[in-house]
Amino acid sequence: EAAVTQSPRNKVAVTGGKVTLSCNQTNNHNNMYWYRQDTGHGLRLIHYSYGAGSTEKGDIPDGYKASRPSQENFSLILELATPSQTSVYFCASGDSGQGNQDTQYFGPGTRLLVL
Amino acid sequence: GDSVTQTEGLVTLTEGLPVMLNCTYQTIYSNPFLFWYVHYLNESPRLLLKSSTDNKRTEHQGFHATLHKSSSSFHLQKSSAQLSDSALYYCALSKGTNAYKVIFGKGTHLHVLP
Repeated sequence: EAAVTQSPRNKVAVTGGKVTLSCNQTNNHNNMYWYRQDTGHGLRLIHYSYGAGSTEKGDIPDGYKASRPSQENFSLILELATPSQTSVYFCASGDSGQGNQDTQYFGPGTRLLVL
Repeated sequence: GDSVTQTEGLVTLTEGLPVMLNCTYQTIYSNPFLFWYVHYLNESPRLLLKSSTDNKRTEHQGFHATLHKSSSSFHLQKSSAQLSDSALYYCALSKGTNAYKVIFGKGTHLHVLP
């Protein structure tokens, strides 16, 4: 069964509204990541975490917050959604321990449309 | 800073022809890991192959790549393209053990025609 799951899979939000994207992993990986995928930009890192209680800014963190309440769960929060945040969002987990080199295991993605 | 460059945004070729997708990188780390991920439509991106060994060919599912540190390259190749190879391919870089961050290139769409 899928080891990284995301919810919702599709979301339509209004400008200025709050959006929370959730991710759950059963890989028991320390590291979790949120990316957005846009044509011409590929996968861009928004936030990541190397354990419960930690969050770190990625390459494009502006307008996003993250929360890692447990090993399994990592949320991405858009406090005030804007149309420029319309995208496909992927969560991933990874293990940077010896021999793993942080191979990424991706969830199925969430399509977000901000009107 | 670290970066990964994939020069082609789209590669279109006919089934049966060889595939080569370019990937070059810049990093300060002496022993980086390089990855190729494949993203099929309506699926999750997944690892295709990875390497950290200089000048050693790595193969998986008919694809192969060789890390060349002298030229900072990790090109993906396949001898004969199949229709089912049509997908988005990402080259990626991590600094190696205890890496907390992976850097992705912008991706190359491979479109294989019959």
